[in-house]
Amino acid sequence: DSGVTQTPKHLITATGQRVTLRCSPRSGDLSVYWYQQSLDQGLQFLIQYYNGEERAKGNILERFSAQQFPDLHSELNLSSLELGDSALYFCASSVAGQGLTTDTQYFGPGTRLTVL
Amino acid sequence: AQKITQTQPGMFVQEKEAVTLDCTYDTSDQSYGLFWYKQPSSGEMIFLIYQGSYDEQNATEGRYSLNFQKARKSANLVISASQLGDSAMYFCAMRISGYALNFGKGTSLLVTP
Repeated sequence: DSGVTQTPKHLITATGQRVTLRCSPRSGDLSVYWYQQSLDQGLQFLIQYYNGEERAKGNILERFSAQQFPDLHSELNLSSLELGDSALYFCASSVAGQGLTTDTQYFGPGTRLTVL
Repeated sequence: AQKITQTQPGMFVQEKEAVTLDCTYDTSDQSYGLFWYKQPSSGEMIFLIYQGSYDEQNATEGRYSLNFQKARKSANLVISASQLGDSAMYFCAMRISGYALNFGKGTSLLVTP
């Protein structure tokens, strides 16, 4: 158990809908990262928050957004869902933000999203 | 751009034998970190081992060791005394200057009795 929690574990929804994925980082970790894993794209970085502020953006679609709350949990919002958004969404957390290559990211169990 | 290459889509190894999973990387940065993660069929991503670009010794964690050859830009994972529970996908990843991880496509390892 990494100490990172994600809910829900599975989510099935229809095209055009909006969903929210939730992540709680390990105790003491200030950074939260969101990744998407799909068969065709592999593991891709979406976005990073550090202590409530957006720190870095990756291949995140405009239909997707995220935030990190004062208690450091994070939510990833996916809207106008398409079939191609079906994937495993991971949250990871680490102690620091930028500047440290040694900062290990610990992953949650993931949320498997299926868009029908 | 930083790139991670894992050329072995699938590997087989017999129980109790050692296996090496290949990883090469491309970066012009001097400071970077290399990570290996394991993803069993249940889906979670499990951190295995880390190697920093300035580390002079190869990293080891139990049965896992990282064969780091900086000049060749390779960071191969060696699993000794393979166990059936080692069957999983293995991902090599690189982190530049504290940014997010950049992952390879992974290698599927099957350990046979």
